Amino acid sequence: DSGVTQTPKHLITATGQRVTLRCSPRSGDLSVYWYQQSLDQGLQFLIQYYNGEERAKGNILERFSAQQFPDLHSELNLSSLELGDSALYFCASSVDLGGSSYNEQFFGPGTRLTVL
Amino acid sequence: AQKVTQAQTEISVVEKEDVTLDCVYETRDTTYYLFWYKQPPSGELVFLIRRNSFDEQNEISGRYSWNFQKSTSSFNFTITASQVVDSAVYFCALSGSTSYDKVIFGPGTSLSVIP
Repeated sequence: DSGVTQTPKHLITATGQRVTLRCSPRSGDLSVYWYQQSLDQGLQFLIQYYNGEERAKGNILERFSAQQFPDLHSELNLSSLELGDSALYFCASSVDLGGSSYNEQFFGPGTRLTVL
Repeated sequence: AQKVTQAQTEISVVEKEDVTLDCVYETRDTTYYLFWYKQPPSGELVFLIRRNSFDEQNEISGRYSWNFQKSTSSFNFTITASQVVDSAVYFCALSGSTSYDKVIFGPGTSLSVIP
């Protein structure tokens, strides 16, 4: 158990809909990362938040957005869903104390999204 | 640009055989980290190992061993005496040295261990 929780575990919805995925980082971790694992794209980084602010952006679609709240939990919002958005969405967190030292990312169990 | 290649898409072995999963990486960073993750059929990502680019010592953990060779940009993973429970997708990954760096995953190798 990494200490990172994600809800829901499974989500089934229809095309055109909007969903919100939630992530609670490990206690004390300031950074949250979102990754998408799809059959055609593999595992890829979407976005990172640090202490409420967006820090880095990867291959995230404009239809997707994220935020990190004052209690450090994060939500990934996916709108105008398409069949191709069906994927496993992982959240990871790291303590991120700053500087150049490495901060290991701990992955949550993922949310499996199915768009019908 | 950073890149991780896992040339083996799928591997099947018979139980108790040894198997090596290959990983080749590309990076311009002098300091970086390499990882292996296991993803069993249940879907979660299980962390197996992290290596710093300055530490080329091979590592053994039970039936698992890792061979890091900077000269060939490879970080191969060997499972000795494979078991059915080793059946999973294995990802090799690369990250820079700061918290600004995302983890770059390889495409994964699907390992099937046949009883």
